[in-house]
Amino acid sequence: SQQGEEDPQALSIQEGENATMNCSYKTSINNLQWYRQNSGRGLVHLILIRSNEREKHSGRLRVTLDTSKKSSSLLITASRAADTASYFCATDAGGSTLGRLYFGRGTQLTVWP
Amino acid sequence: EAGVAQSPRYKIIEKRQSVAFWCNPISGHATLYWYQQILGQGPKLLIQFQNNGVVDDSQLPKDRFSAERLKGVDSTLKIQPAKLEDSAVYLCASSAYRGLTSTDTQYFGPGTRLTVL
Repeated sequence: SQQGEEDPQALSIQEGENATMNCSYKTSINNLQWYRQNSGRGLVHLILIRSNEREKHSGRLRVTLDTSKKSSSLLITASRAADTASYFCATDAGGSTLGRLYFGRGTQLTVWP
Repeated sequence: EAGVAQSPRYKIIEKRQSVAFWCNPISGHATLYWYQQILGQGPKLLIQFQNNGVVDDSQLPKDRFSAERLKGVDSTLKIQPAKLEDSAVYLCASSAYRGLTSTDTQYFGPGTRLTVL
């Protein structure tokens, strides 16, 4: 399967703490993307990291990619209650399927005030 | 910039009935996607359009699901007849991606929550 698999399935932390979510996948990728989904809403794109990149930052987000281990991690620093949501990684294998995303089951993050 | 619009937001039907969902992508976006998201799971791609042509529909249950994208803009997804296991959120997404070498961000609509009784 091309799907990413997130770990842990659920994460509960206090405001101000850091949250780390991991994603593993099975096939070669062109890029890997992280999305956030608030309850009952659509997905919001957070960050895209290409296969030739190892780390990327965007505000309080830090994403790493290790293609040798077929894994990625998303770090949210200084978390806020508003970060409570489900986080999904999605892989794009590229080639003839470039542009198609395969999502994992997601990590449910709860940030307590 | 207006986002991806979907309607209706909620739909409740009985099994064996038909239902249709509508999506209006971001203006100018060439590629449109329909996803099915079952509760507790990630979105699963059903069909991908580029302009008004189908790029990939390998995961679309074609015996009951159909989709079209007229004039390369709006799209409709239909289920006929619906089964209990079709209960899910149906998400539409669009991107500026035109099938070249570099992918592009997908922008998602709010989804249509379908309940089949």
